[in-house]
Amino acid sequence: SQKIEQNSEALNIQEGKTATLTCNYTNYSPAYLQWYRQDPGRGPVFLLLIRENEKEKRKERLKVTFDTTLKQSLFHITASQPADSATYLCALDFGNAGNMLTFGGGTRLMVKP
Amino acid sequence: EAQVTQNPRYLITVTGKKLTVTCSQNMNHEYMSWYRQDPGLGLRQIYYSMNVEVTDKGDVPEGYKVSRKEKRNFPLILESPSPNQTSLYFCASNVQGPNSPLHFGNGTRLTVT
Repeated sequence: SQKIEQNSEALNIQEGKTATLTCNYTNYSPAYLQWYRQDPGRGPVFLLLIRENEKEKRKERLKVTFDTTLKQSLFHITASQPADSATYLCALDFGNAGNMLTFGGGTRLMVKP
Repeated sequence: EAQVTQNPRYLITVTGKKLTVTCSQNMNHEYMSWYRQDPGLGLRQIYYSMNVEVTDKGDVPEGYKVSRKEKRNFPLILESPSPNQTSLYFCASNVQGPNSPLHFGNGTRLTVT
C-alpha cells in the first residue's frame, strides 16, 4: 500500500537559517505533490503544488523539489523567521479515483529567534 | 472573502445521539471532502464529492454519512456517534481533483462520551 513518511520529530532551527523538510513515499509515483502549512487548531493552508514532470518550484522564500527516482520531495524555507513555526504537511495524489489526496503526518518546525 | 465555513467549532455529545456538522463554501468549487485528523494518524479522508448528488467513500467512511444536495453545502452526519469518532474534523473544497489546492475550513473538534 502507499505510504508517506515525514519526520515526526520537530525540527528546531535558528532564525535566518534555511529549514529543510522531507517527504518520502513508497510504491506508486504520484502525479502531483502538494505542501500545506497547519497552525495549532486551524485548518491546513495550501502553499505549493508540484507536478511529476517539474523538478523544482519556488514561491518567495519557499522552494519545493520533487525527485521521482528517489521518491522524495524536499521543502525549503530560506531566511526562516519565528512566524514560520508551524506543522508542514505533504500530500500526494496516488492516482486513486476521485479526489483522493493522501496526507503525510506532518513535521513540526520551530524557528527560534 | 473566499472561505470554507464549518459549524460548530466545538461539539461534545454522548454515544448514539445523532449529529450533523455543516460545511459551506462560497468559491463555487466542484469538489468537497471531509477529513478527520488524529494524533499519530494524520489527516484521513472520510468522504468526498465531485459534484451535486455525487459522493464517494474515502479511506475511513465507516460510521459517517454525507449528502450533496447543493453545490455549496456538504454536511457530515454521524447517525450514532461512538467514542472512537472523537476527533478533529475538517471540511475542504477545491476546483477539481488532486491537481488543485484544497481550501480547508477551521475544523470541528468533536468529543463523544
